[in-house]
Amino acid sequence: AQKVTQAQTEISVVEKEDVTLDCVYETRDTTYYLFWYKQPPSGELVFLIRRNSFDEQNEISGRYSWNFQKSTSSFNFTITASQVVDSAVYFCALSVDYSGGYQKVTFGTGTKLQVIP
Amino acid sequence: DTGVSQDPRHKITKRGQNVTFRCDPISEHNRLYWYRQTLGQGPEFLTYFQNEAQLEKSRLLSDRFSAERPKGSFSTLEIQRTEQGDSAMYLCASSFTDGSYEQYFGPGTRLTVT
Repeated sequence: AQKVTQAQTEISVVEKEDVTLDCVYETRDTTYYLFWYKQPPSGELVFLIRRNSFDEQNEISGRYSWNFQKSTSSFNFTITASQVVDSAVYFCALSVDYSGGYQKVTFGTGTKLQVIP
Repeated sequence: DTGVSQDPRHKITKRGQNVTFRCDPISEHNRLYWYRQTLGQGPEFLTYFQNEAQLEKSRLLSDRFSAERPKGSFSTLEIQRTEQGDSAMYLCASSFTDGSYEQYFGPGTRLTVT
């Protein structure tokens, strides 16, 4: 069975501070995909990043960076110099494809980030 | 707008009534997913289609729930004999064929059962 744990329920930071959102996953499959999504107050989930299990290279996109470590089954997300517009709920998700076309997608419970001006 | 669309955006119904939601995915996407999201929780997988075939159904999808994607394009999710516990946001997403591709979500349908 797959499981995604986001232990941080809510985080508050002051604008311009750096913040890291934690994600720990569990799966027995060797091929899997990890995602981060942002859900702003408007409600629509916005895709941020995808990583497959064979690619442990960290990624940076502007103020966003992701640290994938298979050894600790973690896929953490850091926002540098946070801004008020970063305030949202962030979800980590795990996807596994099985033979025959079956797929299992599991989301974490989300971390609510509040950036205070 | 070529994103995922859902209709209606909000639905209020009385307990025991049937409701149907529609999802129009991104046209190039083969896969279509339905999720349910309750307050303070992440989306919970309900079911997904690859083209018109329904390949996976969650145990969350009781007998009162049925989903279709008759021509491999839009999909409908029907809930029969609604219960108050069905109140939630119902999200639709679409993606290309395999799990390596990100899912693009629609704005959701918020269901309130009174």
